[in-house]
Amino acid sequence: SQQGEEDPQALSIQEGENATMNCSYKTSINNLQWYRQNSGRGLVHLILIRSNEREKHSGRLRVTLDTSKKSSSLLITASRAADTASYFCATGTQYNNDMRFGAGTRLTVKP
Amino acid sequence: NAGVTQTPKFQVLKTGQSMTLQCAQDMNHNSMYWYRQDPGMGLRLIYYSASEGTTDKGEVPNGYNVSRLNKREFSLRLESAAPSQTSVYFCAISNLKAGGAEQFFGPGTRLTVL
Repeated sequence: SQQGEEDPQALSIQEGENATMNCSYKTSINNLQWYRQNSGRGLVHLILIRSNEREKHSGRLRVTLDTSKKSSSLLITASRAADTASYFCATGTQYNNDMRFGAGTRLTVKP
Repeated sequence: NAGVTQTPKFQVLKTGQSMTLQCAQDMNHNSMYWYRQDPGMGLRLIYYSASEGTTDKGEVPNGYNVSRLNKREFSLRLESAAPSQTSVYFCAISNLKAGGAEQFFGPGTRLTVL
C-alpha cells in the first residue's frame, strides 16, 4: 500500500505562477523526500526533509513538513515550462529500506 | 560517469517466458533497489539490497527474484512472466545511512508481457 498521497492529482498553471502540491501520509516517518519525473524518464531527487525539520529550501523549491498533521507541501515559485513533470513524495524510515511513494501530482506549466 | 544504467530499455515477453533485468552503478553506493511503476500507482518497492551480499523483500516481491552480484550490479529476474508484471521497472541506488538518503534512479525498463 502507498504511504504518501499527493494532492491534487493534476495541476495546470501559467508560467510565472506558483505551484503548490501537498502530500499526506499515515504512519510515523523518519524523513520525507520529493522527486520529479519527466515523461518517460527516471525520478530525480529534489529535497529530503527530516522529521525534526519544519521547512527546507532549494532554489525555487520550498518544502514544509508538519508531523502533527502528517503532511508536507512542495512549493515551486515562479514556475517555468520546464517544470512540467510529475512530482512524487516518498516517506522513509530511519534507513529508508522501504520508501513508500505516492501516486504523484502531474504539473503542467503553460508558456 | 553514467550513474545508474539499466538494460534492456524495452522488452516484450510472452506469458511464461523468463528474463533478467540488469542494473549497474558507478557511484560506489552501498544500497540498490528495484521498483515497479504502474500507471496512477506511483512506485512500489520489489526488492532491495542494503549492502553487497544481502537482499530483502519489499512491498511487492511475488513473482520476482534478485541477485546482488557485486557492489556494482543488482539484477531482477522474472522466472515465469505474467501479464500483471507489465510495468516500467526502475533501479535505484543510495548510500544508506541513518536519517535517510536520496535515491538515484536509472532510466527504466519498459516491460510488456503478452
